[in-house]
Amino acid sequence: KAGVTQTPRYLIKTRGQQVTLSCSPISGHRSVSWYQQTPGQGLQFLFEYFSETQRNKGNFPGRFSGRQFSNSRSEMNVSTLELGDSALYLCASSLGQIFADTQYFGPGTRLTVL
Amino acid sequence: AQSVTQLDSQVPVFEEAPVELRCNYSSSVSVYLFWYVQYPNQGLQLLLKYLSGSTLVESINGFEAEFNKSQTSFHLRKPSVHISDTAEYFCAVSDLGAQKLVFGQGTRLTINP
Repeated sequence: KAGVTQTPRYLIKTRGQQVTLSCSPISGHRSVSWYQQTPGQGLQFLFEYFSETQRNKGNFPGRFSGRQFSNSRSEMNVSTLELGDSALYLCASSLGQIFADTQYFGPGTRLTVL
Repeated sequence: AQSVTQLDSQVPVFEEAPVELRCNYSSSVSVYLFWYVQYPNQGLQLLLKYLSGSTLVESINGFEAEFNKSQTSFHLRKPSVHISDTAEYFCAVSDLGAQKLVFGQGTRLTINP
């Protein structure tokens, strides 16, 4: 089976712009979670989608949003970018029960905000 | 809310030496526990997990972790490390109330020849 893929792998944006990141889960996986990874804060949970519905959300401002399509692919969007949004954004897919299932992570999208 | 503490941000060890990476979590209610590993420039991958049953769980590459409910710990150990074990290791706990994984800050394991 193909693993989790994320596009693009690298992005450079300027403050105030918006960005859309994409995640394709492993075939058959219906849950997609997004995480932000920074050296200072570590891995922080953004949100999780299951069957096109957001099931859970972390403590991030409304500038961070996401969605999931009927084929389980997911996108996350960050509007009005700030310097502090520079991070590695990881998505992970699983069969469905986030708290028990193994999470399969993609390689991440490294976002740099200038 | 659930929280996870990895007591060491960096652990340097010599090749073939034993290693222990420490992890403590905040709640003693029923939890699921995980260790994930992140090799340079890659995403995370599952190393091992505890869901129920035997408190000692093992991975295929020689790591093991022991669930200790009374001490709310899930320390990761390996009796003899290899250069290829150089990576960052994350402990994670399922927060059943919020239905999400909570990760520790990570421990960077560096193996010196």
